[in-house]
Amino acid sequence: DIRMTQSPSSLSASVGDRVTITCRASRNIDNFLNWYRHKPGKAPEVLIYYASNLQSGVPSRFSGSGSGTDFTLTINSLQPEDFVTYYCQQTYNAPLSFGAGTNVEIK
Amino acid sequence: QVQLVESGGGVVQPGRSLRLSCAVSGFTFSSYGMHWVRQAPGKGLEWVAVISYDGSNKYYADSVKGRFTVSRDNSKNTLYLQMSSLRAEDTAVYYCAKEGTAYDLGGDFDYWGQGTLVTVSS
Repeated sequence: DIRMTQSPSSLSASVGDRVTITCRASRNIDNFLNWYRHKPGKAPEVLIYYASNLQSGVPSRFSGSGSGTDFTLTINSLQPEDFVTYYCQQTYNAPLSFGAGTNVEIK
Repeated sequence: QVQLVESGGGVVQPGRSLRLSCAVSGFTFSSYGMHWVRQAPGKGLEWVAVISYDGSNKYYADSVKGRFTVSRDNSKNTLYLQMSSLRAEDTAVYYCAKEGTAYDLGGDFDYWGQGTLVTVSS
């Protein structure tokens, strides 16, 4: 099974800051890596698919990069609605798996 | 617009069974794979199961294999998760989610339901 290691588990930032979240797969997953934002009490929403593709309707301040085993999600100019939890996910093969999540908190 | 609505959650005793449903609308259900994902209280997201667009392929997380069964009725636009031999650690909000690419598995989950809470407790 593929294990996804996401870091940091939490971070503190201010509105307008740029933050980076990383995700490492336990083996090669090509570009089968997605990023989600999960607001409390809401359904998760996909931000980035296939490592670097911005989902339709998602603000351009979100970007993704990486391939193989190492991936990053960058959020430029944090907005108030961005202070929630983020997850990476591999869909290279079953069983699919998520990272443990990164909680972005207001400093 | 695309909608996914889960139902069937509730409180159930350990060892008992429960069936969740996910009613969908706004897209051609029979063309897309569907997933179940859960989130235990205070924990992260955990993928549970997937079923291909035609029901011919199914895969499960190790934690539920042999106890949970995913199925679908394309004539009713409904996805199911039959859960048996439930344990306390199955307590979670269960979400259904749609594959982003038709006739394929391995893409993102582009639409999710709001979730239904399952509590396993005596």
